[in-house]
Amino acid sequence: DSGVTQTPKHLITATGQRVTLRCSPRSGDLSVYWYQQSLDQGLQFLIQYYNGEERAKGNILERFSAQQFPDLHSELNLSSLELGDSALYFCASSGRGSSGNTIYFGEGSWLTVV
Amino acid sequence: AQTVTQSQPEMSVQEAETVTLSCTYDTSESDYYLFWYKQPPSRQMILVIRQEAYKQQNATENRFSVNFQKAAKSFSLKISDSQLGDAAMYFCAYRSPNFGNEKLTFGTGTRLTIIP
Repeated sequence: DSGVTQTPKHLITATGQRVTLRCSPRSGDLSVYWYQQSLDQGLQFLIQYYNGEERAKGNILERFSAQQFPDLHSELNLSSLELGDSALYFCASSGRGSSGNTIYFGEGSWLTVV
Repeated sequence: AQTVTQSQPEMSVQEAETVTLSCTYDTSESDYYLFWYKQPPSRQMILVIRQEAYKQQNATENRFSVNFQKAAKSFSLKISDSQLGDAAMYFCAYRSPNFGNEKLTFGTGTRLTIIP
């Protein structure tokens, strides 16, 4: 158990809909990262938040947005969903101090768009 | 930008034997972190081992060890006494310590099959 919690684990929705994926980082971790892993593709970095502020942006579509709340949990919002958005979405977190160099992953949220 | 290359899409090894997975990376930074993550069929991302670039000593975690060659920008993973539970996709990853660039950059992965 990495300590990173993601909900929901599985989600099936229709094209054009909007979904929200939720992530609770490891206790004390200030950084949250979102990654997308499609069936035949590697892990694509979407976005990073640090202590509530956006810190880095990757290949995140304009239809997607994220935020990190004061309690440090994060949400990834996916809107106007397309079939190609079907993927495994990972949240990951990292902290401060000697363990801060390591990023730990949640179990992922499987999104299927039909 | 940093890149990570895993040139072996698939590898197989007999149970109880030793296998080495290759990884090379490209960076202009002198300080960084390298990782191997394992992704079994459950699709969880599990940390296998990590290496700080400033450390000359190769990291070891039980049956897993790395061969870190900084000058050659090479970071291979050796799995000794392979077990059926080692079957998974293995990803090599690079992380910069610099502000705003702390994300993990992954290679394309190596699928490891264990032959009973």
